[in-house]
Amino acid sequence: RKEVEQDPGPFNVPEGATVAFNCTYSNSASQSFFWYRQDCRKEPKLLMSVYSSGNEDGRFTAQLNRASQYISLLIRDSKLSDSATYLCVVNPYSGAGSYQLTFGKGTKLSVIP
Amino acid sequence: DAGVIQSPRHEVTEMGQEVTLRCKPISGHDYLFWYRQTMMRGLELLIYFNNNVPIDDSGMPEDRFSAKMPNASFSTLKIQPSEPRDSAVYFCASSIDTGTLGNQPQHFGDGTRLSIL
Repeated sequence: RKEVEQDPGPFNVPEGATVAFNCTYSNSASQSFFWYRQDCRKEPKLLMSVYSSGNEDGRFTAQLNRASQYISLLIRDSKLSDSATYLCVVNPYSGAGSYQLTFGKGTKLSVIP
Repeated sequence: DAGVIQSPRHEVTEMGQEVTLRCKPISGHDYLFWYRQTMMRGLELLIYFNNNVPIDDSGMPEDRFSAKMPNASFSTLKIQPSEPRDSAVYFCASSIDTGTLGNQPQHFGDGTRLSIL
């Protein structure tokens, strides 16, 4: 089983739609979770951290289900500018000072006018 | 504030040549990471440093790859000799330890697009 798995997509959605991505991770001891966004031919950038209680940042909502070992990202009212690849990211280690991140291959989103 | 700076942005060279990629992390950041990204394998961690010391190089593909961090503001990733399968985008990233366990984002440079002919 891969450490972090995502549906590669592409997800093609109209403007204004709500879209959700899921991601599963294999290491149950993982402590930190993130969603990164990567535009075409650009570097990955942090979109948001994912907290155990779930968290929201504007149109974006992230949730964590530790029992099932999956993370989700919900985007409401999609904008054209949301078109990008969304990377699910996990810190698989629980030791202090462990800052390695494992990246999923990403889910590609295209928002269509 | 200046972000992570990588050079060169693009590199095209023939197989067998030595390739050196450079990275300047964000000032004050004590972690530096080298990644490689390809369509097939996604983003893979090659090696990371803490306070200029290599912590984990288990992702380095083989002995042809080496990385150094002689000081807090500079790191290199070297491939010698290069092979066509090394063609990829190589990213450098840095982060800072604020004491919160593992919960610090990494800031990426623009990457180096490497093509080995």
